[in-house]
Amino acid sequence: AQSVTQLDSQVPVFEEAPVELRCNYSSSVSVYLFWYVQYPNQGLQLLLKYLSGSTLVKGINGFEAEFNKSQTSFHLRKPSVHISDTAEYFCAVSAQGAQKLVFGQGTRLTINP
Amino acid sequence: GAVVSQHPSRVICKSGTSVKIECRSLDFQATTMFWYRQFPKQSLMLMATSNEGSKATYEQGVEKDKFLINHASLTLSTLTVTSAHPEDSSFYICSARAAGRYNTEAFFGQGTRLTVV
Repeated sequence: AQSVTQLDSQVPVFEEAPVELRCNYSSSVSVYLFWYVQYPNQGLQLLLKYLSGSTLVKGINGFEAEFNKSQTSFHLRKPSVHISDTAEYFCAVSAQGAQKLVFGQGTRLTINP
Repeated sequence: GAVVSQHPSRVICKSGTSVKIECRSLDFQATTMFWYRQFPKQSLMLMATSNEGSKATYEQGVEKDKFLINHASLTLSTLTVTSAHPEDSSFYICSARAAGRYNTEAFFGQGTRLTVV
């Protein structure tokens, strides 16, 4: 079975500052990793995903994440945030070949002007 | 990208009535659909997995007689909350996966805010 831990429930940052949202996972098999963003009262939108290959993955809205197998981490980063990035961010994992996604608890990113 | 449409976005119903939520894949065939429930400021809890033409697989602790799932076609799955009670009030989200180029990713609907009064 897989599990995901998002280490920060809330992250407040100032506009134009860099941000890192942390995600660690646990799995006995190879996995795919995902970051989703959720705006209030909406579904989830995929930011980026790691399937294989380069460990640095670039996504939409200027976000990127790095897969670190030895540390079982998949941290999300953005060099300069905007007010519009205020949202809930979910890290998720699925075993390769499996259908189910396992979600972390979510991190609420708040951008202050 | 693939689009999943969920309807309605908001519904208010009286206690004891049933509510149906629809989830449609608009531009791909969804071989598997998932239904999640999300409590305020919490993560998504998987309720059930449905495959087209077969019975849904429910997660432990989810009452299958209360949350009826039907996946009658490759583009439509429905969740019916039967005899709804205030404790069923929540945000329900569906997602869909497909074979082929989209099979490594799940696409999500916009969610349905259910309020039972």
